[in-house]
Amino acid sequence: GAGVSQSPSNKVTEKGKDVELRCDPISGHTALYWYRQRLGQGLEFLIYFQGNSAPDKSGLPSDRFSAERTGESVSTLTIQRTQQEDSAVYLCASSLVGTGRGRGQYFGPGTRLTVL
Amino acid sequence: DQQVKQNSPSLSVQEGRISILNCDYTNSMFDYFLWYKKYPAEGPTFLISISSIKDKNEDGRFTVFLNKSAKHLSLHIVPSQPGDSAVYFCAASGNQGGKLIFGQGTELSVKP
Repeated sequence: GAGVSQSPSNKVTEKGKDVELRCDPISGHTALYWYRQRLGQGLEFLIYFQGNSAPDKSGLPSDRFSAERTGESVSTLTIQRTQQEDSAVYLCASSLVGTGRGRGQYFGPGTRLTVL
Repeated sequence: DQQVKQNSPSLSVQEGRISILNCDYTNSMFDYFLWYKKYPAEGPTFLISISSIKDKNEDGRFTVFLNKSAKHLSLHIVPSQPGDSAVYFCAASGNQGGKLIFGQGTELSVKP
């Protein structure tokens, strides 16, 4: 059983460029989450997808950030016109319905984004 | 507004002794608490959780204690092993679809 995978593992971009980060959740996991971790800080919730329900976008820091999910599989996080403060590790997690809280979420290895 | 706080950025413990990692929260609507462990260049891995209806949950060497009146939880690792050296994150969840609110993390170093 493959875990959560993310690509690319590292991304260096110039300020003002757009970037797209990809997440492949564990097969069968209906819930998918995006978090980011800035240097020396904890994980910060960004967005949550659950089945066909409207996503919870309450953590997205600005309208430059958006995310999509295709059915119950791949998700992409897009950051437009990147800024230096967007530099962070972007983590994706997935879980089964109803177990994401008690049994935890399964995290991918993250994408390290550096904006020059 | 930091709803989940881990006030100790680091902790050093001798192998075989007890490690105690602490976490405080401010939101009384949180009803699930979790601990994650993170090694460098890897994603966090789930360690143990506790529901707000309990005050203790034990799994092998790991025990989590919850004090709701103090809005405080702690993770005890006994006996500590060098392989436990990692960053430990406390996280909390309310009735918000499973999203987790994380603390800043505590880096545990277990010395042989």
